Amino acid sequence: DTAVSQTPKYLVTQMGNDKSIKCEQNLGHDTMYWYKQDSKKFLKIMFSYNNKELIINETVPNRFSPKSPDKAHLNLHINSLELGDSAVYFCASSAPGTANTEAFFGQGTRLTVV
Amino acid sequence: GEDVEQSLFLSVREGDSSVINCTYTDSSSTYLYWYKQEPGAGLQLLTYIFSNMDMKQDQRLTVLLNKKDKHLSLRIADTQTGDSAIYFCAEKDGAGSYQLTFGKGTKLSVIP
Repeated sequence: DTAVSQTPKYLVTQMGNDKSIKCEQNLGHDTMYWYKQDSKKFLKIMFSYNNKELIINETVPNRFSPKSPDKAHLNLHINSLELGDSAVYFCASSAPGTANTEAFFGQGTRLTVV
Repeated sequence: GEDVEQSLFLSVREGDSSVINCTYTDSSSTYLYWYKQEPGAGLQLLTYIFSNMDMKQDQRLTVLLNKKDKHLSLRIADTQTGDSAIYFCAEKDGAGSYQLTFGKGTKLSVIP
């Protein structure tokens, strides 16, 4: 059973397009995240949702809009894609406040904008 | 803001020990983690340590925490080629925190 699953795994698209990446977790966690990993492997948090409410919104262009229809899903929609958006995007989930505060990561979505 | 620093590369011979170092700035860090990322894969938690501990051992892995110097290390004994990966240090500033702050990752290369 996959704990955190993202789709698609690979996404190649042209500049200016709008695309979505979906994320689902079956761990019963309250908190979900999107992280961006750039070409140098640097990982930065983008957004965090707790029980469908936005908790963290780092300095991310407003072309990026997360949507959480329920606490098991956190989708990332990106408008007007730019070349600099090319990266690997990781979804994660965790249960803050517990003794084991592991964040579980999805396998990543490699986005390539051409 | 919080900052986590790691050296970017480490190369060791198979069978030797590897030591990956990490420093952090947030004195309120409560949990510190080591994640492993294999090529083309997601991040896998290797181990974590609570800030009131100074050492944790799990099979070939030993984590040392010097809270005074804000220094964390991961030692891998008898390093194998399968240990080649990027290792990320991360910190969380409290049990209720929602965010992990990651270092830039250390790429470990194991020479056969």
